[in-house]
Amino acid sequence: TQLLEQSPQFLSIQEGENLTVYCNSSSVFSSLQWYRQEPGEGPVLLVTVVTGGEVKKLKRLTFQFGDARKDSSLHITAAQPGDTGLYLCAGAPANNLFFGTGTRLTVIP
Amino acid sequence: DTAVSQTPKYLVTQMGNDKSIKCEQNLGHDTMYWYKQDSKKFLKIMFSYNNKELIINETVPNRFSPKSPDKAHLNLHINSLELGDSAVYFCASSRASGGPRDTQYFGPGTRLTVL
Repeated sequence: TQLLEQSPQFLSIQEGENLTVYCNSSSVFSSLQWYRQEPGEGPVLLVTVVTGGEVKKLKRLTFQFGDARKDSSLHITAAQPGDTGLYLCAGAPANNLFFGTGTRLTVIP
Repeated sequence: DTAVSQTPKYLVTQMGNDKSIKCEQNLGHDTMYWYKQDSKKFLKIMFSYNNKELIINETVPNRFSPKSPDKAHLNLHINSLELGDSAVYFCASSRASGGPRDTQYFGPGTRLTVL
């Protein structure tokens, strides 16, 4: 059983479309992070959300932490080919950082 | 300058061999980690070291042994390689003890293929 389940697992969209990726768990997290990983590289941190209900924006990316701190979402507006990559949520119920199952996004020009 | 570097980038070897992967960080961080990413892209922590002390050791076979000669280096030694060890191994580092709010900086990964 995975601690953090992401959906969808794969997503292929046209440039300019909007999308949302979900990260769900039955566990409560004190904070949750989102990373993006490009082929042949390591994950890079995008954002950390720490308060239930918190919303953070990073240009066209909007991150939300669920009120109960068990889930999070990533919304991308007007997706661009440069957004293509593997998106990973990560949370630490203790000191171990657990990564989600990942969402592979492909934005077609 | 590369913040977290790993060598080699690719490693192809025969089953039963012993191999090492090296990792160095120049960020002055206190904690370093090793992760394994399988073919389905699932990233799982293997070890972390804080000030030369192992503070996390997940259910990893004892054929895997992390070695930290100093705070800037955390090498991964693997004995008696098995087919199932084929994966991409990532080194990472963080400023503090890897709590839920720390930013982890990842290396570029080492793709290990066991034949």
